[in-house]
Amino acid sequence: DAGVIQSPRHEVTEMGQEVTLRCKPISGHNSLFWYRQTMMRGLELLIYFNNNVPIDDSGMPEDRFSAKMPNASFSTLKIQPSEPRDSAVYFCASTDQVNTEAFFGQGTRLTVV
Amino acid sequence: QQPVQSPQAVILREGEDAVINCSSSKALYSVHWYRQKHGEAPVFLMILLKGGEQKGHDKISASFNEKKQQSSLYLTASQLSYSGTYFCGTRMGSDKLIFGTGTRLQVFP
Repeated sequence: DAGVIQSPRHEVTEMGQEVTLRCKPISGHNSLFWYRQTMMRGLELLIYFNNNVPIDDSGMPEDRFSAKMPNASFSTLKIQPSEPRDSAVYFCASTDQVNTEAFFGQGTRLTVV
Repeated sequence: QQPVQSPQAVILREGEDAVINCSSSKALYSVHWYRQKHGEAPVFLMILLKGGEQKGHDKISASFNEKKQQSSLYLTASQLSYSGTYFCGTRMGSDKLIFGTGTRLQVFP
């Protein structure tokens, strides 16, 4: 397996534009997490899916953020409209069982200017 | 809710030892440890499941005191390759995986 795949790796966009981040978890994994990493806040959990169903989205900062998982092999995180303070590295991670390691994608570095 | 790690940063010479602590205000079911190098994704080190459990891999080991809701990561005879930011993660059952504040470790020759 190629591991967790995220795209794009880098995204530069203008304030007010819509941004869509994509994630393909490892085949067979049933839990998927979206994290945001900044120097100030570290690794923040944004939303968590189990079997494609959003279980906890309490970390989603505002209504501008939304996430979907239409099937077991694909998830998106959308920011609309984007703001400069959304600039961060966004990671997607997946696991197959409760007590096993989380595999991280390489992340998407988002810069909003 | 986010686990608290201490210290925030550690500077070592090669061969020295370090301890990184992780504590939670909520009951822990399991503790994960990850290391992240600059510009890369976090990489798994180990999971501890039971109170009092200890695990080790090479010269990196960890303990988990379920009653005290604490875990510690022990790095022995540190190597240059140990440099990075260490995160503890906590998970309750099949619930969300939440990471601590991180500890930055720098090892110098």
